[in-house]
Amino acid sequence: EAGVTQSPTHLIKTRGQQATLRCSPISGHTSVYWYQQALGLGLQFLLWYDEGEERNRGNFPPRFSGRQFPNYSSELNVNALELEDSALYLCASSSTGRNEQFFGPGTRLTVL
Amino acid sequence: GDSVTQMEGPVTLSEEAFLTINCTYTATGYPSLFWYVQYPGEGLQLLLKATKADDKGSNKGFEATYRKETTSFHLEKGSVQVSDSAVYFCALSGGAGGTSYGKLTFGQGTILTVHP
Repeated sequence: EAGVTQSPTHLIKTRGQQATLRCSPISGHTSVYWYQQALGLGLQFLLWYDEGEERNRGNFPPRFSGRQFPNYSSELNVNALELEDSALYLCASSSTGRNEQFFGPGTRLTVL
Repeated sequence: GDSVTQMEGPVTLSEEAFLTINCTYTATGYPSLFWYVQYPGEGLQLLLKATKADDKGSNKGFEATYRKETTSFHLEKGSVQVSDSAVYFCALSGGAGGTSYGKLTFGQGTILTVHP
């Protein structure tokens, strides 16, 4: 069974640009979660999508947004990039009614 | 809000030593508790979980017991190996209806290094 996949592996942008990160959940999972792992700040919850709807949102500005597609894959968009957005962005998925989350390998975003 | 506190690292042990990583939490209701492990350059892997008081999660020789009276979920292993070197994260997931529902709240992570 394939795990959670994320693309790209690495992404380099300059300040002010937009970044788009993609995630494909484990087959059969309907929920997708996004987390930011910044150096020294630990893991912070960003967004939760389930059945195409945003269900919960972490304490991040509106320039962090996303969506979930009918096939349950998801996209995270970060607009007006700032230097402090440099981090590892992790996507996780879970199946309906289950609270254990399974993580992908992450996308390393570097903002110059 | 909900929070998780882990013991400060890094932790350095010799192979076959006993491991304890302390984890305490603050949460409303009845959260589920997890331990995740992150190997260098990789994402997080679910190590074990417990969903109610007195539950014991176990996997690959690691164990943790959900102690509601002390709000703790300490990770233990009787004999560590070099391959256990990684970062360990304690996490909780809140119950339905709460603001923490559907998200994981993580501790700050504990770096474990095991020497031969």
